[in-house]
Amino acid sequence: GQQLNQSPQSMFIQEGEDVSMNCTSSSIFNTWLWYKQDPGEGPVLLIALYKAGELTSNGRLTAQFGITRKDSFLNISASIPSDVGIYFCAGRDTSGTYKYIFGTGTRLKVLA
Amino acid sequence: DAMVIQNPRYQVTQFGKPVTLSCSQTLNHNVMYWYQQKSSQAPKLLFHYYDKDFNNEADTPDNFQSRRPNTSFCFLDIRSPGLGDAAMYLCAIRTGTYNEQFFGPGTRLTVL
Repeated sequence: GQQLNQSPQSMFIQEGEDVSMNCTSSSIFNTWLWYKQDPGEGPVLLIALYKAGELTSNGRLTAQFGITRKDSFLNISASIPSDVGIYFCAGRDTSGTYKYIFGTGTRLKVLA
Repeated sequence: DAMVIQNPRYQVTQFGKPVTLSCSQTLNHNVMYWYQQKSSQAPKLLFHYYDKDFNNEADTPDNFQSRRPNTSFCFLDIRSPGLGDAAMYLCAIRTGTYNEQFFGPGTRLTVL
């Protein structure tokens, strides 16, 4: 099935550093969702975005809905060891279906 | 409180022996989804329901069936599991107001 381009694929960072990741699509989306998944668990919704240009924060996490409606960004400030995991973006396009298209995931590892 | 409940969390079956995974939700949302996820890949949509309206993905094998007897419950039946069906199976719901998708904790299926 269709997938979104998500980058980077993986990253190793030092504790306290800021992290940025993004998702891009070839089509326009009207909803962007960002998830974090820990091993053996289901994805947990972090942030939901609904309008082009929207900037939303959840603690140390900030996500933005790109103004072209074809991309979205997630930033994590001052990373801590428990930020480790896989981050997925997911988008819902304008076709009117209830399906979400997922990004390929960004695996984050934080070095203490 | 858990919005999406999946049972069991771990399921072991034998090659070719039918298995059923269950999902329930606490808030009677209209849309429910079943995803398959393998080894840190993005979740892959198998099918989804809008109420009782069933929507099968074109590439979902015939070996996978689903039932939704009422709004709260949804089942995934794997008629003849193969080794390649070993995966995490995720159930999700979509909230009507904000187009958010919430996942359950998943069922890890092992096929011996």
